[in-house]
Amino acid sequence: EVQLVESGGGLVQPGRSLRLSCAASGFTFDDYAMHWVRQAPGKGLEWVSGISWNSGSIGYADSVKGRFTISRDNAKNSLYLQMNSLRAEDTALYYCAKPREVVVIRGAFDIWGQGTMVTVSS
Amino acid sequence: DIQMTQSPSSLSASVGDRVTITCQASQDISNYLNWYQQKPGKAPKLLIYDASNLETGVPSRFSGSGSGTDFTFTISSLQPEDIATYYCQQYDNLPETFGPGTKVDIK
Repeated sequence: EVQLVESGGGLVQPGRSLRLSCAASGFTFDDYAMHWVRQAPGKGLEWVSGISWNSGSIGYADSVKGRFTISRDNAKNSLYLQMNSLRAEDTALYYCAKPREVVVIRGAFDIWGQGTMVTVSS
Repeated sequence: DIQMTQSPSSLSASVGDRVTITCQASQDISNYLNWYQQKPGKAPKLLIYDASNLETGVPSRFSGSGSGTDFTFTISSLQPEDIATYYCQQYDNLPETFGPGTKVDIK
């Protein structure tokens, strides 16, 4: 079964850091780009960041550029999101998502995790 | 960044009704447009990719059309299990922006 499982969320104070992880299984992880998408409580979906299969191409939303870093470890079938200088507006459910097509960084997300909640509050 | 708009923001329809949602991009995105369904408390589910292609396993009452800047998503006969919020998403350029969503419920 193709599966993505996020972890690492929690309550954190403004200005602090948090690292999210996404464990992938059931597919050849290093064939695919991977992405993070977030959803603030009661709000819509916001693409956060994406990384190509070989980490050679990376993109960020303007709202997180310079504060968040996406990375992956293909040997561990894992995706990460290092979040620094967190703000209240970063409070959201963070999903990792897999594109339906191999190699290309952009595309439709056919597999999503269940999400991990990040709450930034003092 | 490419901006996506959707209309309406919400709608209420009867079981069996035909439901149409529109999505507009701020610039030409060819057919690089996807549609997702999200039910409360659940992750989004891909329904339509590349503007008009039905994802495997998705019922045929769902369809999509359009290219360039204007796109349409249709449920040909609304079912109770279709109650959800629907989002369009462009992937012509990073960031892959989503529309604000359309909440669909039963009248």
